[in-house]
Amino acid sequence: SAVISQKPSRDICQRGTSLTIQCQVDSQVTMMFWYRQQPGQSLTLIATANQGSEATYESGFVIDKFPISRPNLTFSTLTVSNMSPEDSSIYLCSVEGTSGGKETQYFGPGTRLLVL
Amino acid sequence: KQEVTQIPAALSVPEGENLVLNCSFTDSAIYNLQWFRQDPGKGLTSLLLIQSSQREQTSGRLNASLDKSSGRSTLYIAASQPGDSATYLCAVSFGNEKLTFGTGTRLTIIP
Repeated sequence: SAVISQKPSRDICQRGTSLTIQCQVDSQVTMMFWYRQQPGQSLTLIATANQGSEATYESGFVIDKFPISRPNLTFSTLTVSNMSPEDSSIYLCSVEGTSGGKETQYFGPGTRLLVL
Repeated sequence: KQEVTQIPAALSVPEGENLVLNCSFTDSAIYNLQWFRQDPGKGLTSLLLIQSSQREQTSGRLNASLDKSSGRSTLYIAASQPGDSATYLCAVSFGNEKLTFGTGTRLTIIP
């Protein structure tokens, strides 16, 4: 199993500012995933972050808006840049792991962001 | 486009009743399907994972079924309890290591 923590747990930010979200895992993992969950919506994958290489972004998400760092195998950051109210969402970090011999995904508690 | 749909969006049932949550997907070529539980402020917890070669998985009072030909999965919860109140998310891997999530069903168990 994997235990994931995220900081901050929530924040209220002003339009035009940036926020960096941290994700810490208690074990070394190859891939880390960043998701966004807009109000009343499903989870949408933003990007996949591998240690030592640039993150891979999904359609509709760009590095200038959501820069990601992956300095080691247990840590990653996601920055939400030049925020607008449309960025108000829950941002979740996730990793793959094994439970009971089966692959599964573990999620952090999420960062609830409100942009005014 | 690969899509995952969950209906209803919300469901309320009295404590003790059995209930079924539904999930449908548009592409039958799936790798696996997972059911997650989401509690406010606690992220997601994986409940059951069904591989494409399996038809069902059971864990305690939970039973998940998979019918690839019809593009459907169900999560059956027996003898519901107030602690089962949460949002339940269905997520499908279409073979590319990425999960496509449904919009979830918000379940409320009435004591």
